[in-house]
Order: sequence, then structure tokens, then C-alpha cells
Amino acid sequence: NAGVTQTPKFQVLKTGQSMTLQCAQDMNHEYMSWYRQDPGMGLRLIHYSVGAGITDQGEVPNGYNVSRSTTEDFPLRLLSAAPSQTSVYFCASSPAGGGNQPQHFGDGTRLSIL
Amino acid sequence: AQKITQTQPGMFVQEKEAVTLDCTYDTSDPSYGLFWYKQPSSGEMIFLIYQGSYDQQNATEGRYSLNFQKARKSANLVISASQLGDSAMYFCAMREGGGANSKLTFGKGITLSVRP
Repeated sequence: NAGVTQTPKFQVLKTGQSMTLQCAQDMNHEYMSWYRQDPGMGLRLIHYSVGAGITDQGEVPNGYNVSRSTTEDFPLRLLSAAPSQTSVYFCASSPAGGGNQPQHFGDGTRLSIL
Repeated sequence: AQKITQTQPGMFVQEKEAVTLDCTYDTSDPSYGLFWYKQPSSGEMIFLIYQGSYDQQNATEGRYSLNFQKARKSANLVISASQLGDSAMYFCAMREGGGANSKLTFGKGITLSVRP
């Protein structure tokens, strides 16, 4: 009963380094998204995807890339890490089509940029 | 303008009492959905309850109910018979439009502390 799996759970990077946050779901959900959570800011949408091969920008996309080659996986790439990207990152998925379907969240990745 | 507004400072409630967490929203779309999530100190996001804009009745899920006042654009979460495990951050979120749109806009959250 895995749901949404995020790896790693914790990561420390140096400024300028790149890395990929992994997200996988086993519920065959079409919709996947990445959020960042900062103190006092709630969750803000970075990028989202409505299906394999389709991605789009959210509210705060700068400095991040995504791709969706399969239904299951939606990795988030930091191209050149900056201290401002220190945050907790959440991946979420849901069936497409909105309605009353809630988004299912992974447990989050806590990322620190030094 | 903020689409989801949660302005209460940290909330405190005595165990076994009821508490209301406020949420107001802003949208011009007639079709939308409102969600409440709980985030305990362990960090995971837990879905609690959903209210659709066309739903005639207020949503209820166990001890959670939603006081939906459409004309006032408010969707307050009511937790009855508070338990110590209800201490957490609570987020209100909105999905606008129908069709394939699944994007959520979150409020900044409210911290609830339940006192024994």
C-alpha cells in the first residue's frame, strides 16, 4: 500500500549543486504535482502534470525542472541549488478530472541548501 | 488578492470541546471544490474533508464538518470533541473549475493546539 513515495527524505546541498527529487505513485493517477512548503507560506505549487508527456508551471517554477515520461514517476530537478530553495518539498497525485478526489501526498523531502 | 485566506493566529482548545477553524476563499468560477488537510508535527499531509460548490448540504466526516456559507465565501472546519491528537497545522485549499483541472491553491494554515 505504498501510495506516493518520495526520496530522499532529507538532503543537504551546497549552493550551485544540482539534484533530483524522486516521486513515484502506484495508484495509476494521471495528475501529479510538486509543492514547496515554507514557514508561514502554506504550500505553493511548483510544477504539475496531467499525464505522461505533459507538464506545466505552477506558481513558483523558477529554478526547477520536471518531466513525466511515465504515469508513475514525476521527478523534480534543481538545476543549480540556491539557499532560497531550502524548503520542504511535497509530491502529490490524484485522478484527473477534479471532482471530489483529494490529492494524495508523499511524506515530503526536507532540503537544505548551504 | 489571496485566493484562500486563513487569518487566525494559533488556536487553542480544551480537550473534548469543539473548535472552528476559519477559511475564506475568493473565486469567480461557479464550479470549485474546497478541501481541508491536517499536517501533524510528523509532517505528512492528511486529507480530512471536501465540499463542492454545488453541494446542497454541508460535508461531514466523523468528527469533522464543514460550515459552508457560499454567499460569504467561507468554508470553516468544525472539529467536534477535540482530542489531543488533533493538535496539528490545518490547511484549507481550493480547486477552481471543473473538467481536468486538479490544481490546488492552499491557504497559509492554522496551528491548533489541544489542551488536556
